[in-house]
Amino acid sequence: GAGVSQSPRYKVAKRGQDVALRCDPISGHVSLFWYQQALGQGPEFLTYFQNEAQLDKSGLPSDRFFAERPEGSVSTLKIQRTQQEDSAVYLCASSEQFFGPGTRLTVL
Amino acid sequence: DAKTTQPPSMDCAEGRAANLPCNHSTISGNEYVYWYRQIHSQGPQYIIHGLKNNETNEMASLIITEDRKSSTLILPHATLRDTAVYYCIVRVAGGSQGNLIFGKGTKLSVKP
Repeated sequence: GAGVSQSPRYKVAKRGQDVALRCDPISGHVSLFWYQQALGQGPEFLTYFQNEAQLDKSGLPSDRFFAERPEGSVSTLKIQRTQQEDSAVYLCASSEQFFGPGTRLTVL
Repeated sequence: DAKTTQPPSMDCAEGRAANLPCNHSTISGNEYVYWYRQIHSQGPQYIIHGLKNNETNEMASLIITEDRKSSTLILPHATLRDTAVYYCIVRVAGGSQGNLIFGKGTKLSVKP
């Protein structure tokens, strides 16, 4: 595919469950960003990778959030013990100009 | 990154030009002006960026004032599919020098 893909597109979790969100960036792109977008708000930065190195994780809201990109391509954002305030759309961007469609997470 | 100020919403008639303003009075000399838009239920889409000269591409034109404290994104012939939230962002360009700081943007409604 030519663009950034994310899966699943929609995820419903019960409070306390762990979730894993996947991002497939554009092949060969070095940088990868994760953003969180609450309803009615603009996206907010979570974390940034350059290849497999996580160079900035200053936006992760708590230690329940963890991201990895072990081989410098696919990335996974993991949220442990989900809370209702984690409900949002999680966006992945490849080289800051190319965004995926997002994963809408709803925590009940 | 410098902050930007945009009107929360605007309307535009289909076929007319949409002019979206953005104020960035604290922009630094090495910061570019970027525009993105986000159509409902989609990820943000890059539109255009510029430093100090006016820029044009197949999607839009970007007009930056001489003092660089404000800019205008112009969609020359708006269509219904241009209805979206438009974000103006200022940042250092090149490589991956930091994240994008989105505000709330301008919700543009194109009406028939």
